[in-house]
Amino acid sequence: SQTIHQWPATLVQPVGSPLSLECTVEGTSNPNLYWYRQAAGRGLQLLFYSVGIGQISSEVPQNLSASRPQDRQFILSSKKLLLSDSGFYLCAWRQDHRGGYTFGSGTRLTVV
Amino acid sequence: AQTVTQSQPEMSVQEAETVTLSCTYDTSESDYYLFWYKQPPSRQMILVIRQEAYKQQNATENRFSVNFQKAAKSFSLKISDSQLGDAAMYFCAYRSYDNYGQNFVFGPGTRLSVLP
Repeated sequence: SQTIHQWPATLVQPVGSPLSLECTVEGTSNPNLYWYRQAAGRGLQLLFYSVGIGQISSEVPQNLSASRPQDRQFILSSKKLLLSDSGFYLCAWRQDHRGGYTFGSGTRLTVV
Repeated sequence: AQTVTQSQPEMSVQEAETVTLSCTYDTSESDYYLFWYKQPPSRQMILVIRQEAYKQQNATENRFSVNFQKAAKSFSLKISDSQLGDAAMYFCAYRSYDNYGQNFVFGPGTRLSVLP
């Protein structure tokens, strides 16, 4: 069966420090992968999506970047975190062409 | 661009009763998908139910059912026989019928409380 793993679950980082969040998918190949951010009490905002290795599309210009070094690995990064980067980050992959997404368990990032 | 509106920031329901969560959306597309996701305190997003716009029949998943009104661009979720475990944030979402699924828009959410 397909599963999606995301880590770490929580992270507290000082302003100006780097960031690396990792997401991996098991049980499928060539998945479409997505990074979302959820601000407190808000809906989800798409940050990046990837349809294949090395292919990254950015939806929102910001302090973050994404990479896909392997087929089932999706990484969210930042060279220097800002206070406004705090939030809940969710990785997702698309199950099938009918559009259902499966989400990871999320990472709560607090920038202090 | 598509938008999704959930006009009820918070709702409450008595255990075993029925509750309906509202969702409206705006689009000029004719083919699309609609979803309801549940986010419990654990923050894990869980797909509750989905509806293809070309299907007239309303989707049903056990105690969860939708009322899809395409002309009115309305997509409400009905939870029957509410249980304590149904307490969560519920997000309505719209997805275009596109290749990569990047056009996936979420509403702001409705927080549902279930009273014992």
